[in-house]
Amino acid sequence: QVHLVDSGGGLVKPGGSLRLSCAASGFTFSDHYMTWVRQAPGKGLEWISYISSTGSTIYYADSVKGRFTISRDNAKNSLYLQINSLRAEDTAVYYCARGGYNWYDELDYWGQGTLVTVSS
Amino acid sequence: EIVLTQSPDFQSVTPKEKVTITCRASQSIGTSLHWYQQKPDQSPKLLIKSASQSISGVPSRFSGSGFGRDFSLTINSLEAEDVAAYYCHQSSSVPMTFGQGTKVEIK
Repeated sequence: QVHLVDSGGGLVKPGGSLRLSCAASGFTFSDHYMTWVRQAPGKGLEWISYISSTGSTIYYADSVKGRFTISRDNAKNSLYLQINSLRAEDTAVYYCARGGYNWYDELDYWGQGTLVTVSS
Repeated sequence: EIVLTQSPDFQSVTPKEKVTITCRASQSIGTSLHWYQQKPDQSPKLLIKSASQSISGVPSRFSGSGFGRDFSLTINSLEAEDVAAYYCHQSSSVPMTFGQGTKVEIK
């Protein structure tokens, strides 16, 4: 069965960096678009970024453009999010989610999320 | 950016009552609209894809409809396990966006 495991979150000071990971299993990872979505405490869902199956196409939300970098390693069935220049408003649970074979497909499986807390 | 506006923000419902949540897009998105359920302290779960297509394993009391700018999610005969936040999501254009969410509780 499809399984996504998010990791890498933690407490970081403003201006700091973290690398989030998402380990995928139970499906052919290299066939699927992958997406990162975040949720600030007590708030709704915010789409952050997606990456195509080969990694050749990437999009970011304006709120993270220039500070966040999405990447993937299909040989390791893993998705990554490098987050730099962290701000208090980046505090959130970060979820990876599986897309389809096309960029416009729904997000059909989600990881359990990893909490990033930005505080001095 | 396409803005999705859900209504209502919060709904308190008695068991077995019918629930309808609407989602309006700021511009036409065809059927590129999906619905998710997020129970407390859990990850979101896909309920309905492409406006009205059912998902395997999701109870048949959940259904979706709409096209263009106006969409709705209906829960026929609410059960206690349906207490959750519900979100619409558009994949018509990037950046993809979510509605602000609708919280459903049992009265």
